[in-house]
Amino acid sequence: AQKVTQAQTEISVVEKEDVTLDCVYETRDTTYYLFWYKQPPSGELVFLIRRNSFDEQNEISGRYSWNFQKSTSSFNFTITASQVVDSAVYFCALSPGNTGFQKLVFGTGTRLLVSP
Amino acid sequence: EPEVTQTPSHQVTQMGQEVILRCVPISNHLYFYWYRQILGQKVEFLVSFYNNEISEKSEIFDDQFSVERPDGSNFTLKIRSTKLEDSAMYFCASSAQTGWQPQHFGDGTRLSIL
Repeated sequence: AQKVTQAQTEISVVEKEDVTLDCVYETRDTTYYLFWYKQPPSGELVFLIRRNSFDEQNEISGRYSWNFQKSTSSFNFTITASQVVDSAVYFCALSPGNTGFQKLVFGTGTRLLVSP
Repeated sequence: EPEVTQTPSHQVTQMGQEVILRCVPISNHLYFYWYRQILGQKVEFLVSFYNNEISEKSEIFDDQFSVERPDGSNFTLKIRSTKLEDSAMYFCASSAQTGWQPQHFGDGTRLSIL
């Protein structure tokens, strides 16, 4: 079975603070993909990043960075110098390879509140 | 940038009635999905669809649910006899391929069962 755990239900920060959102996953598949999606207050789901299970290189995109550690089954997301517009619910998701990557298994999400 | 569109944005239906949620996936995508999100909870997979048939479905996707691609552009989710617990946001998604290619989501249809 596959599972994604986002232990932080809600995080509140003040603008310009750095914040890390944790994601821990469980799967028996040797091949899988990991994703982060953002859900702003308007409700849509916005794709942020993907990673495959064979690529443990960290990635940086502007103020966003991701740290994938297979040894701890974690795929954490850091926002540097947070802004009010970053306020949203962030979902980590796993696409397992055993059934051909047909679905996304989502975590319960972390609500990030950035205040001015 | 091409996007997935869903209609209606909000659907209110009496319990026991049939409802059809509509989606227009991104035009060159081949894989289609439905997810639901009960208010305040996580997003849950319902079904994936490829080559005019269901590829995978979850336990939630029981006999009350069906999907169809009636023409070259639309992808629909039908709930035959709605229950109160079907109230949720329903998201349609599409992808060019499975796995590496990300699933792109529509804005969702909020379904309210009275």
